[in-house]
Amino acid sequence: DTAVSQTPKYLVTQMGNDKSIKCEQNLGHDTMYWYKQDSKKFLKIMFSYNNKELIINETVPNRFSPKSPDKAHLNLHINSLELGDSAVYFCASSQELRDRGRNTEAFFGQGTRLTVV
Amino acid sequence: DAKTTQPPSMDCAEGRAANLPCNHSTISGNEYVYWYRQIHSQGPQYIIHGLKNNETNEMASLIITEDRKSSTLILPHATLRDTAVYYCIVRVWYGNQFYFGTGTSLTVIP
Repeated sequence: DTAVSQTPKYLVTQMGNDKSIKCEQNLGHDTMYWYKQDSKKFLKIMFSYNNKELIINETVPNRFSPKSPDKAHLNLHINSLELGDSAVYFCASSQELRDRGRNTEAFFGQGTRLTVV
Repeated sequence: DAKTTQPPSMDCAEGRAANLPCNHSTISGNEYVYWYRQIHSQGPQYIIHGLKNNETNEMASLIITEDRKSSTLILPHATLRDTAVYYCIVRVWYGNQFYFGTGTSLTVIP
């Protein structure tokens, strides 16, 4: 079973459209994230959600909105897509630390390559 | 979270040990050192993490200097499949953020 799964894997769409990328994790983790990797391969965190509460928003345009229907899902909605939104988007999850020493590495999905034309 | 500095690229002969350095001179006492790698355009993959002591698992070894200002990831017997971008990240133990730098692009040469 895939720990963190994203759909779709590829998404080609026109400027101005609204699209969503889905993410699900079966690890029972408390926190989920969205990262954007642009053409220069720089991985930048966009959002993280902990128990349905947004705890990071790294100056991402408000056209991007994370939606978490439950702890296992964090979907990314993008409105009015622009050419500059073309990138690979990665979902990830990790377990919130409550004591030292717990193994809290983040697990990443395989990415969604978004192309805006 | 403290910033990290890594060489942009390295080569390693297949079968030899790959030693990837990372500087984190501003690391604080409650920050762990994590290593991830990204093969081609796949999702980043966790390798290892540590606080003070050297760590070893089935993938790699992590050597952290006594002052904790730098560390080295060691792949003991590099294979062609280890060709990837390797990221060194420092992260507070109670935090969930993973901030990726530019990483080191490791090429394993046959």
